[in-house]
Amino acid sequence: DIQMTQSPSSLSASVGDRVTITCRASQSIDNYLNWYQQKLGKAPKLLIHAASSLQSGVPSRFSASGSGTDFTLTISSLQPEDFATYYCQQSYSSPPTFGQGTKVEIK
Amino acid sequence: QVQLQESGPGLVKPSVTLSLTCAVSGGSISSSNWWSWVRQPPGKGLEWIGEIHHSGNTNYNPSLKSRVTISVDKSRNQFSLELTSVTAADTAVYYCAREVGASSIFDYWGQGSLVTVSS
Repeated sequence: DIQMTQSPSSLSASVGDRVTITCRASQSIDNYLNWYQQKLGKAPKLLIHAASSLQSGVPSRFSASGSGTDFTLTISSLQPEDFATYYCQQSYSSPPTFGQGTKVEIK
Repeated sequence: QVQLQESGPGLVKPSVTLSLTCAVSGGSISSSNWWSWVRQPPGKGLEWIGEIHHSGNTNYNPSLKSRVTISVDKSRNQFSLELTSVTAADTAVYYCAREVGASSIFDYWGQGSLVTVSS
């Protein structure tokens, strides 16, 4: 299985901050990388697919980049509704696997 | 708008079979999409369990393959999960999700069903 490692595991930030989350794959996955947001008690929500494509309806303050083994998710100006846990997921090979999550908390 | 809704017992005893159903509305299960089960133990990360196509073709996570069966009921527009010989380690929120085609990109999710394994 491909291992996905996110960093940091958690971070504290203020409204308006720029936030960056990193995801590393244990082998090259080209651009088969997706990002999800999960709020407490809710199902994950697809934010980004194919490493950098914004899912329909997702605010433009979310962006992502990367290819191969290293990827980043950036929130350009953190909003109150963005406090959540973020997961990366590889869709390069089966079984699809997720990172351990990055919890974004209010500072 | 596609909606998915999980249903099933919230409490099962150790060693029995866990059974959940995912009802799909707002779209046809006979589309080109694959349909998956993903679980999340309390306070932990996400684990893909397996997927099914309306043709009946399935793929399972090797870590669970010996205990998992996913089936589809096209007449009811739903699919189901069975997990045998459960232990406390199978306690989790179980989500059903739709994939974009066969891409393993999960674009629609159910709200989740907490299943606790306890005697």
